[in-house]
Amino acid sequence: DQQVKQNSPSLSVQEGRISILNCDYTNSMFDYFLWYKKYPAEGPTFLISISSIKDKNEDGRFTVFLNKSAKHLSLHIVPSQPGDSAVYFCAARSVTGNQFYFGTGTSLTVIP
Amino acid sequence: EAQVTQNPRYLITVTGKKLTVTCSQNMNHEYMSWYRQDPGLGLRQIYYSMNVEVTDKGDVPEGYKVSRKEKRNFPLILESPSPNQTSLYFCASSFFRGGEKLFFGSGTQLSVL
Repeated sequence: DQQVKQNSPSLSVQEGRISILNCDYTNSMFDYFLWYKKYPAEGPTFLISISSIKDKNEDGRFTVFLNKSAKHLSLHIVPSQPGDSAVYFCAARSVTGNQFYFGTGTSLTVIP
Repeated sequence: EAQVTQNPRYLITVTGKKLTVTCSQNMNHEYMSWYRQDPGLGLRQIYYSMNVEVTDKGDVPEGYKVSRKEKRNFPLILESPSPNQTSLYFCASSFFRGGEKLFFGSGTQLSVL
């Protein structure tokens, strides 16, 4: 049973506009939520994370929002750039720190 | 350069022929883990290791073995591969304390015929 879900397999956005990627989770026993970015033929790379005790974390053009009551998080990219075109995975870490659960990924295309 | 190194990048084998995928990290990380990526299923954890000689099952451990005899190495062993183990495999590592940031290898594409 998928504990972390990304319901949008793909997203297209114009360069300079905002990209919003969404993620839902079913288990409350997570202490960190993370976003990873993956280019073809490469491993995923860490993008940004948020602790379960916070509701927002920013790093440059990337902001992650956490809504614990809705069990929902989102990644905002502003402004979007063509180099942001990649597959984005949402992930959650168990409170024990030993297991990570990943979503199925959202393929973002930023159109120049 | 800090990195996680997996070998081989590509592997084609036949059903039942034992194989090992190697994983090595040079960051002195305590935590290491293996994932498989399949279309529509995302990345699923196979096994993880909290430190030397400490390993445990993830979500999809059937048909796989691991060992952690040294801190830097965490090989994935398929004793009798089957076609349903055809997948893209990733090794990852992190510091256990404060280590929510996983570092991934470049992946191993395995095809079992």
